[in-house]
Amino acid sequence: NAGVTQTPKFRVLKTGQSMTLLCAQDMNHEYMYWYRQDPGMGLRLIHYSVGEGTTAKGEVPDGYNVSRLKKQNFLLGLESAAPSQTSVYFCASSYGTAGNQPQHFGDGTRLSIL
Amino acid sequence: DAKTTQPNSMESNEEEPVHLPCNHSTISGTDYIHWYRQLPSQGPEYVIHGLTSNVNNRMASLAIAEDRKSSTLILHRATLRDAAVYYCILRDNYGQNFVFGPGTRLSVLP
Repeated sequence: NAGVTQTPKFRVLKTGQSMTLLCAQDMNHEYMYWYRQDPGMGLRLIHYSVGEGTTAKGEVPDGYNVSRLKKQNFLLGLESAAPSQTSVYFCASSYGTAGNQPQHFGDGTRLSIL
Repeated sequence: DAKTTQPNSMESNEEEPVHLPCNHSTISGTDYIHWYRQLPSQGPEYVIHGLTSNVNNRMASLAIAEDRKSSTLILHRATLRDAAVYYCILRDNYGQNFVFGPGTRLSVLP
């Protein structure tokens, strides 16, 4: 059981380049999330999805786009990368959003923008 | 989601119990208390959650104060693999995301 898988694990980009981070979950979860974590800080929500074909903005959505074409996949895109987007990106999924539902996280994508 | 307060860091000796405190004085009646931990270079990992009663699972125990304004995560016998950042998070039935603060960095000494 793989859980939540993120690809790639590491990436270095130049300012202005674009890329897509892929998140895949095999738990049949409806809800998926993208967070970023900067050094010494907690996680901040970028975008989330409550089901296939739906997305919504989180706390820090600027500079990012997302798509949820299939239930098991949630893509995070950077159209024109900026050094401020250097961070570790985590994807998570959950069965629901009720208070007793835990979120399951991937191991992260470490992204550096030069 | 209501705010939680945790110590920045704690130390423990290997094979001894560890009590990680969390204050949440503004907790509402519908907030669940969740604990996650993040090992180095990994994503957050679910540990335990509870509402009012104390909870036990294979990883840890959660002790919740009677007024629910504080809680304690208990690791019964710390191992070197338990060295991580531990996050205490409140979650109601309406929030879409988990709000992660800085957490408590636990060091386990051999």
